[in-house]
Amino acid sequence: QQPVQSPQAVILREGEDAVINCSSSKALYSVHWYRQKHGEAPVFLMILLKGGEQKGHDKISASFNEKKQQSSLYLTASQLSYSGTYFCGTLSTGNQFYFGTGTSLTVIP
Amino acid sequence: DSGVTQTPKHLITATGQRVTLRCSPRSGDLSVYWYQQSLDQGLQFLIQYYNGEERAKGNILERFSAQQFPDLHSELNLSSLELGDSALYFCASSGRVTGETQYFGPGTRLLVL
Repeated sequence: QQPVQSPQAVILREGEDAVINCSSSKALYSVHWYRQKHGEAPVFLMILLKGGEQKGHDKISASFNEKKQQSSLYLTASQLSYSGTYFCGTLSTGNQFYFGTGTSLTVIP
Repeated sequence: DSGVTQTPKHLITATGQRVTLRCSPRSGDLSVYWYQQSLDQGLQFLIQYYNGEERAKGNILERFSAQQFPDLHSELNLSSLELGDSALYFCASSGRVTGETQYFGPGTRLLVL
């Protein structure tokens, strides 16, 4: 039931782009994306609701393909502050919410 | 600052003991969620309350229980503690039942010796 994220880890240079994928085996109502820095609480990035919408702010955007039960997070022109672990969270039938396996992102100068 | 408060910040206790973690949601938020984060299991959803009622259960052990009080604060009770219960416990709150941003508290770090 826990969604699977890929890649597990990625290292980027400042200015490079990255894509993080989240895949679930269950039908989803919504997908949430969070970033967590070491030793801190997760911080909300965005929610995508059923309907295949794409959302974004600044240089971080995401898409949700409800038919494939997948979501992708796009980070463009990465900055040092983007470093952290990214989690997707999925809400499925029965009001079940699960966080994904996590993707560690490191941006280096 | 998310507006969600958790106490205590750190807790050290022995196996077999019982502890209570407390969470105060953001003003106006009716939903409270509890999560456990450990090194080997990642972020695990434990339980959700909405306006005093249990709404969803995740991977919560029978030794653990929670409740949400009329003033909307919530407590997570962990009993018969084991070494493996050592983890960071987060509480989050949101305004509605589902589909809304969850704001996380700073967490309570529990160490069971």
